[in-house]
Amino acid sequence: GAVVSQHPSWVICKSGTSVKIECRSLDFQATTMFWYRQFPKQSLMLMATSNEGSKATYEQGVEKDKFLINHASLTLSTLTVTSAHPEDSSFYICSARVKSGGYNEQFFGPGTRLTVL
Amino acid sequence: RKEVEQDPGPFNVPEGATVAFNCTYSNSASQSFFWYRQDCRKEPKLLMSVYSSGNEDGRFTAQLNRASQYISLLIRDSKLSDSATYLCVVPSPTEVSGGYNKLIFGAGTRLAVHP
Repeated sequence: GAVVSQHPSWVICKSGTSVKIECRSLDFQATTMFWYRQFPKQSLMLMATSNEGSKATYEQGVEKDKFLINHASLTLSTLTVTSAHPEDSSFYICSARVKSGGYNEQFFGPGTRLTVL
Repeated sequence: RKEVEQDPGPFNVPEGATVAFNCTYSNSASQSFFWYRQDCRKEPKLLMSVYSSGNEDGRFTAQLNRASQYISLLIRDSKLSDSATYLCVVPSPTEVSGGYNKLIFGAGTRLAVHP
């Protein structure tokens, strides 16, 4: 199947700093990538849809000025958590949809665990 | 009512047992369904897709009951390595994001298989 990578896999930062997370499609081109957030013992929640060459589409309740998304190429999308605070500590996962056997299968990156002190 | 609901568990079963999870969905127009497996602190990985009445892959069987709006996942002959959280995922038939139907995730059912 398609491979999606994320970097870094984990990060610890001080409150008020910004953190950039990269999501790459390694063996395919992804015009659309998705960013999810998962808090402990909760389900994945879609934060935004990242579109190559255009603005991201944010879900209701997600601050676009706080979670900056850039999809500069067909293989890279970045999520920057600006002025991070402890409540932003979470597991951030990106994904991409790939057509497989006539259906759109979703492949997830390995996730980035963010801890804000 | 949540769009996708699952029993959180945990289900604690011995090796070799048969275990079944249910998942209910609220939108009767939903057409496709997925079961993902998520290990602790890892990303979800696709286990099975369900587009018609059901699907079977080795020890895993997924069944769809459209009338009652639920999907089940049956695991036979449980192995220690089956221990994980199983996520029921339903593409929303009405909400689209980036040209794709938005995926709605259940909170997951935790399975612990013991020796």
